[in-house]
Amino acid sequence: AQSVTQLDSQVPVFEEAPVELRCNYSSSVSVYLFWYVQYPNQGLQLLLKYLSGSTLVKGINGFEAEFNKSQTSFHLRKPSVHISDTAEYFCAVRDFGNEKLTFGTGTRLTIIP
Amino acid sequence: SAVISQKPSRDICQRGTSLTIQCQVDSQVTMMFWYRQQPGQSLTLIATANQGSEATYESGFVIDKFPISRPNLTFSTLTVSNMSPEDSSIYLCSVAPSGQETQYFGPGTRLLVL
Repeated sequence: AQSVTQLDSQVPVFEEAPVELRCNYSSSVSVYLFWYVQYPNQGLQLLLKYLSGSTLVKGINGFEAEFNKSQTSFHLRKPSVHISDTAEYFCAVRDFGNEKLTFGTGTRLTIIP
Repeated sequence: SAVISQKPSRDICQRGTSLTIQCQVDSQVTMMFWYRQQPGQSLTLIATANQGSEATYESGFVIDKFPISRPNLTFSTLTVSNMSPEDSSIYLCSVAPSGQETQYFGPGTRLLVL
């Protein structure tokens, strides 16, 4: 069985400040890792993904994430946030050979002007 | 990637009725998925729908309540049957294009049951 933990349900950040949204997972096999963003009243949009190779992956809108196998983490970062980054962010994991995605509970990012 | 549309985008329904949600993809895909997102919650997989076979339901979801059709490689429907207020959720379909490890999501259907 696998699980995804997003420790912070809500993160308020001042505009232009850096942010880190934490994600930890548990799995007995190798995994693919994803971050999705859900803007208010919209569906899910893929931010970035780790499949293999470099552990630092860059996504859209200036976000990046680093895969740390030893700590089973995939934290999302942005050096300077904007008002438009206000959204719900979901971390998700998929085991090799399994089509199913398991989602974390989400982190609501609120940008303070 | 894939472009996915869903109909309706939102609906308000009376308890005891049924609603069918449509999911259309702009390319042929083998695997389609249906998720539920209850208010303020994360996504929960309802079922996996492969063309040419019966849908596979996750624990806690049954075919009588959530019948799924998958008539071809670009289309699927999910019906929410005999609805109650507890069925008020966002229902999302997603696809995993062949050869890709990524799932892409539709915009969702926002359902309110009174």
